[in-house]
Amino acid sequence: GNSVTQMEGPVTLSEEAFLTINCTYTATGYPSLFWYVQYPGEGLQLLLKATKADDKGSNKGFEATYRKETTSFHLEKGSVQVSDSAVYFCALRGMDSNYQLIWGAGTKLIIKP
Amino acid sequence: ETGVTQTPRHLVMGMTNKKSLKCEQHLGHNAMYWYKQSAKKPLELMFVYSLEERVENNSVPSRFSPECPNSSHLFLHLHTLQPEDSALYLCASSQERAGEKLFFGSGTQLSVL
Repeated sequence: GNSVTQMEGPVTLSEEAFLTINCTYTATGYPSLFWYVQYPGEGLQLLLKATKADDKGSNKGFEATYRKETTSFHLEKGSVQVSDSAVYFCALRGMDSNYQLIWGAGTKLIIKP
Repeated sequence: ETGVTQTPRHLVMGMTNKKSLKCEQHLGHNAMYWYKQSAKKPLELMFVYSLEERVENNSVPSRFSPECPNSSHLFLHLHTLQPEDSALYLCASSQERAGEKLFFGSGTQLSVL
């Protein structure tokens, strides 16, 4: 079946550091891939998405590229801020799914000033 | 957009109590979801309603009973819960049938004693 694996957190970085949060997936065909973010005390919100191989999703300085050959969708940001502290979730929707998003366990990111 | 509103934010209940969680969306969406979020685990999809009809029920115990009286409101009725049901319960809505872009509420933090 479909699955998503994220790097375990927490990930702790200093402000202005480079960020990578790894996400790999298992799925048949060509799933759609997503990153959601959950700020403290809030619900999740869509950060970016990619729907086909080699697509790059980007938003708020974050980027992720759909790599079919390595079944990965790693999240990157060149210079993080304290306000980026949150939990980040990688997810996929399989080609045969109407409503089911398959989620990773989330990676908590802590940015220190 | 005024978003997705969940009440209450926190709930403590005994194993013999009956309580209900409420969700309201002001986005004009046609699909609504209940998710369970437990620490360090992927989000678990519980129920999906599309156009007020339940379209997914992911093997959730009968002590959880959803209700969708109209496209803007969603309830989760709880009775005779177990301590392992303690978690953050998230409501979400979407416009697309495929539910790719979900809009989440802030959740109800439930503790079962």
